[in-house]
Amino acid sequence: GENVEQHPSTLSVQEGDSAVIKCTYSDSASNYFPWYKQELGKGPQLIIDIRSNVGEKKDQRIAVTLNKTAKHFSLHITETQPEDSAVYFCAPKKPKPFGNEKLTFGTGTRLTIIP
Amino acid sequence: GAGVSQSPRYKVAKRGQDVALRCDPISGHVSLFWYQQALGQGPEFLTYFQNEAQLDKSGLPSDRFFAERPEGSVSTLKIQRTQQEDSAVYLCASSLRGWDTQYFGPGTRLTVL
Repeated sequence: GENVEQHPSTLSVQEGDSAVIKCTYSDSASNYFPWYKQELGKGPQLIIDIRSNVGEKKDQRIAVTLNKTAKHFSLHITETQPEDSAVYFCAPKKPKPFGNEKLTFGTGTRLTIIP
Repeated sequence: GAGVSQSPRYKVAKRGQDVALRCDPISGHVSLFWYQQALGQGPEFLTYFQNEAQLDKSGLPSDRFFAERPEGSVSTLKIQRTQQEDSAVYLCASSLRGWDTQYFGPGTRLTVL
């Protein structure tokens, strides 16, 4: 099956600084690359996603970049705020017929914003 | 509008007891998923429904785990003869259709003593 790794596993940054989390996947058939944010006591929530025909996507302070050749994609958060503190998961996905509807989550990154 | 809701939010069971966890998906969502999240880990897939049909149950860890969605809306995950290793957060997600964005509930934290 798909092998999905995230780095780093934990990350602490000063409020206002930027944070970058990298997700490496093994299956070159993957074509959909989402990032989920999970706050304490809540379920994961989709925050941004990108498809394989696009190299970068930005939504206000967050962005995702994709390197299909190297099989990795990254989450970038700029001007970090205390409410960005959470665990972040990537979940690369393959299209039909190579994959199915379920999500396969990465190992997770705990981001702590230091006020 | 209302999101995905799950009940109970917390459940403590003695080893060997049976438990039932409920999921109310977003109204109109055809697809429903169950995931298991151990402490400090990412969610792992358990099973998937499209309407009332259980299309994939490959992630259920043993025959003690059973899920149903009899009317294509509310779903129940049942665990029989609970074991300590069943302690985890059980997450439910729904989507309009199988390949659309999945919206997660807050989860049920199960602790087996």
